[in-house]
Order: sequence, then C-alpha cells, then structure tokens
Amino acid sequence: EAGVAQSPRYKIIEKRQSVAFWCNPISGHATLYWYQQILGQGPKLLIQFQNNGVVDDSQLPKDRFSAERLKGVDSTLKIQPAKLEDSAVYLCASSYKQGRLVNEQFFGPGTRLTVL
Amino acid sequence: GIQVEQSPPDLILQEGANSTLRCNFSDSVNNLQWFHQNPWGQLINLFYIPSGTKQNGRLSATTVATERYSLLYISSSQTTDSGVYFCAVNTGFQKLVFGTGTRLLVSP
Repeated sequence: EAGVAQSPRYKIIEKRQSVAFWCNPISGHATLYWYQQILGQGPKLLIQFQNNGVVDDSQLPKDRFSAERLKGVDSTLKIQPAKLEDSAVYLCASSYKQGRLVNEQFFGPGTRLTVL
Repeated sequence: GIQVEQSPPDLILQEGANSTLRCNFSDSVNNLQWFHQNPWGQLINLFYIPSGTKQNGRLSATTVATERYSLLYISSSQTTDSGVYFCAVNTGFQKLVFGTGTRLLVSP
C-alpha cells in the first residue's frame, strides 16, 4: 500500500514570505496529523484532523500558521509570514481510527523548510 | 503534560554488537510506538507495542506499562542501523508525544 505522501521535500524562503506544504495520507486513514521537528528534537504535534474536522490545534501558532483538510483526504499547512524560528522539518502522519481504538501512526518523508 | 525520557542519549557501537535502548514515561499511556529516523529524516515504524514483547528480525521490544517503561533491543548491529531512535506515546485522542531520542552510530 502507498505511504503518506508530502510535497515539496525541500523549501527555502526568506523571512516574512509565505509557504505551503501538502500531504496525502494513506488511503482509508481518517486521522491526519501535522508535526514540527526542530533540529535535534523529537517531532511535536501542531494539529490533528479527524476527517475534515480539527481535533487538536492547541500547539498551532494561529497568528501565522493555518491548516485545512477540506474534503477529509489531503491537507495543506500554511505559514504566513514565516519567521527564522520556523526552520524545521514538517512531518505529516496518518492513522486509521476505529471507534475509540488508538491506532498506529505512519509518517511521510517530511518537508525541510529553511527560512533565511 | 507527560514526560518521555530516553537513554542513553548517544551510543556508538562496533558492527555486530548488541544494545538496549530505554524509554521511560511519567504517566499512563494508551499505546507506545518505536521509530527509527534514518539519516534522510524518514521516520520508520519499528514497533507498535502497548504492552508485552514483540520481535522483528534483529530487533525486539518490550513494554511494561505498569512500570512505565519500554526497551528496544538491537542485536548484531549493522551500519544501516545508524540514526536516531524515538519512542512515542499516545496519551488519549491519539496524540503522540515523542521522547528525547537516542542517537546511534554503528561503525564498520
């Protein structure tokens, strides 16, 4: 089965510019996650979707970050305007939710963002 | 929130050696996953292990949820095992909280 797809793989922008990342989850996975991984640290959750609804966005800097999953399948994450501290790898993950059962998460290859 | 600590932070092995990585967590969890992040940044699923023991080739993992720890065993290590190993726990609503990571370097 195909894994989680992300694009682009790399992006270099200047501060105050905007950028968008795209994610397509594993087919049939209702839950989609965006994580931010700063160099030397573990990934941290930014936002979690269940179908096209937001479950958790408590760690999303909403003044500059936004995300959507309009049709409950693929998703975009946007940063506007970017700051130097946004330089990181942005990882998308998906999982199959069955009732209250907690399921395994699978990750895409990530997008490495450099803000100059 | 929950704290997830991994040890050791860094590990250097000769090819063929065995090792044990540890993950301690500060509260009850619903589930636990082990990942290998390769040098290209890809997170590879190793184990989905809320409790008990699982084995996959040269790797095995044991989680003792009542004592809040998990162990990852690597036997006969190879250079391709190099990278960072993360454990991550589910605390409800399927949110994953990642540990501090163990950086492994296997030399030939």
